[in-house]
Amino acid sequence: QLQLQESGPGLVKPSETLSLTCTVSGGSISSSTYYWGWIRQPPGKGLEWIGSIWYTGSTYYSPSLRSRVTISVDTSKNQIFLKVASVTAADTAVYYCVRPLKEQIFFYGMDVWGQGTTVTVSS
Amino acid sequence: QSVLTQPPSVSGAPGQRVTISCTGSSSNIGAGYDVHWYQQLPGTAPKLLIYTNNNRPSGVPDRFSGSKSGTSASLAITGLQADDEADYYCQSYDTSLRGVFGTGTKVTVL
Repeated sequence: QLQLQESGPGLVKPSETLSLTCTVSGGSISSSTYYWGWIRQPPGKGLEWIGSIWYTGSTYYSPSLRSRVTISVDTSKNQIFLKVASVTAADTAVYYCVRPLKEQIFFYGMDVWGQGTTVTVSS
Repeated sequence: QSVLTQPPSVSGAPGQRVTISCTGSSSNIGAGYDVHWYQQLPGTAPKLLIYTNNNRPSGVPDRFSGSKSGTSASLAITGLQADDEADYYCQSYDTSLRGVFGTGTKVTVL
């Protein structure tokens, strides 16, 4: 069974870079044609799509975050990475690693979710 | 950035039917893009409830159904149960914003 596990610092200082890792188990990133994505949810608020990546490294980003976000992949480690630069308190959220239901579509119904990791931006 | 509008809350007695609307525009739902729905129980990750407008993943009860028309979509829950209390989100694609979610609706079972 495919599982996603997010990891990374729970506390990041303002203006610094938030870095998270999503480790995929139960399946290989490079043996399928699925995109892998990140979604976040600020405390008490709704869901926000951050971006998605294919195993080849092809990426799609939310226009509102594109200037600060980088998503990358390491197929040898079966991991996906998220970096958000110049963070502010508005970046405080639960960050989820996700995989869409359909192959070759970067944004679709997400049927596999990690448990999420909470990141707080504070000095 | 929520461009899909949902009612903040809906409520119903056990056994009743409730519906949640998801109103978009000509750049997302109205452009023909599919709508998906999620259920989020407190403290947990969202769970895909309906995909491609009206399809249920394996294991989702047929009490949950989805529909889409024009620039809107709806999620219906029939035979409301206590464990249906959760937040519900719609999702679609927008030609400008790409991935978009609804504002979210809290369902309360009275």
